[in-house]
Amino acid sequence: DTAVSQTPKYLVTQMGNDKSIKCEQNLGHDTMYWYKQDSKKFLKIMFSYNNKELIINETVPNRFSPKSPDKAHLNLHINSLELGDSAVYFCASSRPGTSTDTQYFGPGTRLTVL
Amino acid sequence: GDSVTQMEGPVTLSEEAFLTINCTYTATGYPSLFWYVQYPGEGLQLLLKATKVDDKGSNKGFEATYRKETTSFHLEKGSVQVSDSAVYFCALSGDSWGKLQFGAGTQVVVTP
Repeated sequence: DTAVSQTPKYLVTQMGNDKSIKCEQNLGHDTMYWYKQDSKKFLKIMFSYNNKELIINETVPNRFSPKSPDKAHLNLHINSLELGDSAVYFCASSRPGTSTDTQYFGPGTRLTVL
Repeated sequence: GDSVTQMEGPVTLSEEAFLTINCTYTATGYPSLFWYVQYPGEGLQLLLKATKVDDKGSNKGFEATYRKETTSFHLEKGSVQVSDSAVYFCALSGDSWGKLQFGAGTQVVVTP
């Protein structure tokens, strides 16, 4: 059974389009995250939700909007895609309210904007 | 703010060689420290962690010790295998929500 899954795995689209990436976890965790990994492999947190509430919102363009319909799902919608949005996006989850617990990562979604 | 600095790669080694990847951090208080590994085409997996000063994390032959005096969490393995070829990330978490601050990653290439 996959712990953290993301769809799609690959996404190729044109500039200006709107796209969504979905994430689901079956670990019973209450906290979920989105990270962006750029072409140099650098990883940076974008958002985090705890029990459907936004708790971390880093400096990210407001074209990016996370949505958590329930605590097992965290989706990422991106409007008006730009070339610089090309990256690998990772979803992760963990137990709430603790910095010591392990974050479990999904396999990533490779977004290519042409 | 919090930050993590790790040695640049790629690090190229022969099988059975000793591996060290240096990692130092800047943080207020006592963050938790982690090493994650990313195999080609995959997501990140936790390799080991340490949550208190002087704790040693270990897994799959890898070890790292949380040192406050040197603000370091260096990763070591005594004898690497080709299957250890991957990108290794040092990270810290200093807030209660588990926000991870990553280093830039170090690519390790092990040749037969």
